[in-house]
Amino acid sequence: GQQLNQSPQSMFIQEGEDVSMNCTSSSIFNTWLWYKQEPGEGPVLLIALYKAGELTSNGRLTAQFGITRKDSFLNISASIPSDVGIYFCAGQLMNRDDKIIFGKGTRLHILP
Amino acid sequence: EPEVTQTPSHQVTQMGQEVILRCVPISNHLYFYWYRQILGQKVEFLVSFYNNEISEKSEIFDDQFSVERPDGSNFTLKIRSTKLEDSAMYFCASSASRGGTEAFFGQGTRLTVV
Repeated sequence: GQQLNQSPQSMFIQEGEDVSMNCTSSSIFNTWLWYKQEPGEGPVLLIALYKAGELTSNGRLTAQFGITRKDSFLNISASIPSDVGIYFCAGQLMNRDDKIIFGKGTRLHILP
Repeated sequence: EPEVTQTPSHQVTQMGQEVILRCVPISNHLYFYWYRQILGQKVEFLVSFYNNEISEKSEIFDDQFSVERPDGSNFTLKIRSTKLEDSAMYFCASSASRGGTEAFFGQGTRLTVV
C-alpha cells in the first residue's frame, strides 16, 4: 500500500541548532501536512501544503511541498527545548478524499 | 479555542469485551475520523464519517469495529470483541472540510486490552 518514508527516525541536537527532516513517497499527494505530537497528546497540525513547490513558514518552521508532489521537507530554525516531540509528515492522496496517511515520525531530542 | 474532546482518557478492558470510545467533535465540523496509534508506531487511519455514514475505511476497520453519531454532538467508536492487538491510542479528529486536511485531533483514548 501507499506509504511515506520519513527520515531521520530520531535526531539529537543542541539547543539553538537548525533541524531538517523529510518525507518521500512513491505516490502523488494532493496535500501534505506536518504534525507534531507530544507525549500523551494527539497530533497538532503545524503546516499544511497544497500546491506543488509551495514553500510555507510558520514562525521558526518552514516546509516545502516537492514539485513532483512526492516529497516534502520540514526545517526548524534555532531549536528550543519545547521543540522536543515527534514530528509526523502526513499526506492526503490524490483521488482519495478522506484518507490521510502518516509517516513513521521523527523523534526530536534537544540537548541542553 | 474549540477542541475535540475524547473520553475516557484511559480504558482497560478484558479480551473479548466490547468497548465504546467517545468523542465530541468541534461543533461546526461535518467530517469525523478515527485514527489509531500503537505504542511507538505511526498514526493509522481507521475510518472517516460524513452525513451519518462511513465515507472511507481502512483494512484495519473490520467487522469488529463500528462508528456511530448517536446524537448531534457525540461520535463513537465501538469495538465489539476486543483483542490484545487492539491495545493502542485511539484518536478522534474532526474537520470543517472534506479530506481532513486541517483536522483537529483529540487527546486520545489509551485502550489497554488484558
